[in-house]
Amino acid sequence: KAGVTQTPRYLIKTRGQQVTLSCSPISGHRSVSWYQQTPGQGLQFLFEYFSETQRNKGNFPGRFSGRQFSNSRSEMNVSTLELGDSALYLCASSLIETGETQYFGPGTRLLVL
Amino acid sequence: DAKTTQPTSMDCAEGRAANLPCNHSTISGNEYVYWYRQIHSQGPQYIIHGLKNNETNEMASLIITEDRKSSTLILPHATLRDTAVYYCIVRGNTDKLIFGTGTRLQVFP
Repeated sequence: KAGVTQTPRYLIKTRGQQVTLSCSPISGHRSVSWYQQTPGQGLQFLFEYFSETQRNKGNFPGRFSGRQFSNSRSEMNVSTLELGDSALYLCASSLIETGETQYFGPGTRLLVL
Repeated sequence: DAKTTQPTSMDCAEGRAANLPCNHSTISGNEYVYWYRQIHSQGPQYIIHGLKNNETNEMASLIITEDRKSSTLILPHATLRDTAVYYCIVRGNTDKLIFGTGTRLQVFP
């Protein structure tokens, strides 16, 4: 069974731009969570989607948003990029129920110049 | 979710067992202990999890103390490819994983 896939793997943007990252969960998984990893803050939870609904949200500004499609694929969007948004963005998927084991994708490395 | 405490770094000789401790003294009765590892900025890799009993899979063993206030992840025969940051996470009925700073395990030849 294929793992979680994320596209693109690497991305360079400039301040003020916006970016959309994509995540395809493991087949059969319906929950998708997003995390941001920076050297200073470590791994931090962004939000989680299940059945196209945001079920949980971390402490990030409204510039960070996401959505989930009927096929469970998810996207996250960051608007008005700031230098501090440079990070590794990780997506994780799990089966239906809350509390199931999460499996992570390889991440998208975003560099904001 | 309960907070965990792990040593910042550990060394282990290749072929020897690596024992990674984790303290979670405020864990609640329905919270699981999860272990993930992250190799050089790749996505975290799930290793193992448990509630009360010791667990073993093809990657590792998890030993949880009877009072559940601490646990140990055991890699029975460490290889160079096991060099990574290991995260111990206490998780309740939520999909929000709270990562600490983890233990940087260095396996040397």
